Amino acid sequence: NAGVMQNPRHLVRRRGQEARLRCSPMKGHSHVYWYRQLPEEGLKFMVYLQKENIIDESGMPKERFSAEFPKEGPSILRIQQVVRGDSAAYFCASSPQRGRSEQYFGPGTRLTVT
Amino acid sequence: SQQGEEDPQALSIQEGENATMNCSYKTSINNLQWYRQNSGRGLVHLILIRSNEREKHSGRLRVTLDTSKKSSSLLITASRAADTASYFCATDSTQGGIFGTGTRLKVLA
Repeated sequence: NAGVMQNPRHLVRRRGQEARLRCSPMKGHSHVYWYRQLPEEGLKFMVYLQKENIIDESGMPKERFSAEFPKEGPSILRIQQVVRGDSAAYFCASSPQRGRSEQYFGPGTRLTVT
Repeated sequence: SQQGEEDPQALSIQEGENATMNCSYKTSINNLQWYRQNSGRGLVHLILIRSNEREKHSGRLRVTLDTSKKSSSLLITASRAADTASYFCATDSTQGGIFGTGTRLKVLA
């Protein structure tokens, strides 16, 4: 059973470009969470999704950031018009159910904005 | 501030010694989890303790939970150099599990 997969592992974008980060949850998991980790800082929650639904996006910046988890395919975190401050590691986690189950994390995508 | 706050922020010990790190949280929980993050890598789930449990063991790990104080501790016994990592706690709060800044543990050989 493959773990949570994220791609790309490293992404370099120039200011103003778009970044698309993908997350494939573990098989059988229908809950996906996205986190951002700035250098030397902890993880900050961004958004929680179930299939085709955004459940909680309270941690997501109001502009330029969006997330989706379609019925088929991976979850996508999209950052439009990236700025240097978006440079961070973005982690995705999945769980089979909310609340009582642990989350399984992917290896992360390191975004560098030049 | 974060729901989960780890303490201390950094800890340096000799191989073979025990390492203890603490976590405090703010709201009521159903469970609390500890994760390890090696430098530049994703998080690895270590152990989950439910709110009706007071102590749990897994190998060299021992976790305690005090819901009255809203705190948990992670004890790593007989530490090894490979235990060098950052350790985070997380709860099943409404925001998908809130993480603090972690405790950076360094085990010296």
